[in-house]
Amino acid sequence: DQQVKQNSPSLSVQEGRISILNCDYTNSMFDYFLWYKKYPAEGPTFLISISSIKDKNEDGRFTVFLNKSAKHLSLHIVPSQPGDSAVYFCAASVGVGGGADGLTFGKGTHLIIQP
Amino acid sequence: ETGVTQTPRHLVMGMTNKKSLKCEQHLGHNAMYWYKQSAKKPLELMFVYNFKEQTENNSVPSRFSPECPNSSHLFLHLHTLQPEDSALYLCASSQKLGAPNSYNEQFFGPGTRLTVL
Repeated sequence: DQQVKQNSPSLSVQEGRISILNCDYTNSMFDYFLWYKKYPAEGPTFLISISSIKDKNEDGRFTVFLNKSAKHLSLHIVPSQPGDSAVYFCAASVGVGGGADGLTFGKGTHLIIQP
Repeated sequence: ETGVTQTPRHLVMGMTNKKSLKCEQHLGHNAMYWYKQSAKKPLELMFVYNFKEQTENNSVPSRFSPECPNSSHLFLHLHTLQPEDSALYLCASSQKLGAPNSYNEQFFGPGTRLTVL
């Protein structure tokens, strides 16, 4: 049973608009959440993270929101740029940064930024 | 370039072959991980090494055998694999921080695309 779910396999957004990627989780023990970005033929690269003691973390164009009661997090990218086209993975862990048990990933959402 | 390299990038092997995947990190990290990504499935954690000691084995079949000779190198030895083991194998590393169960974010290599015939 998947503990981290990304229900949208793909998302198409016009350049300059806001991209919103969603992620749901089922394990109440998760206390740290991360977003990774992956281009073809490359490994995932870390984008932004949030601890469960916060509900928002912002880094430039990227903001992650956490709703613990709904077990839901989202990644907002604004404004969206062509270079943002990639697969975005949501990940969760018990412990900061993955903890001793590693990360649990969702299946990913393929974001396509249209010119 | 994330500071984590993996070789080979592509590997085709028969079910009776023995091969090894290699991962090297140049970041001075003390934790290393193997993940597997099969088609249409999320990345799945296989093994975790902390300070060269295996601390997690996620019910991985014994035909996959990890080895961590030092904190910079991680191997995955493969033998008598099945076609369903064809996948992208990703290595990652991170640094354990001072607080309990705290690590910085994981840095991933580019992966090895494995095809088992």
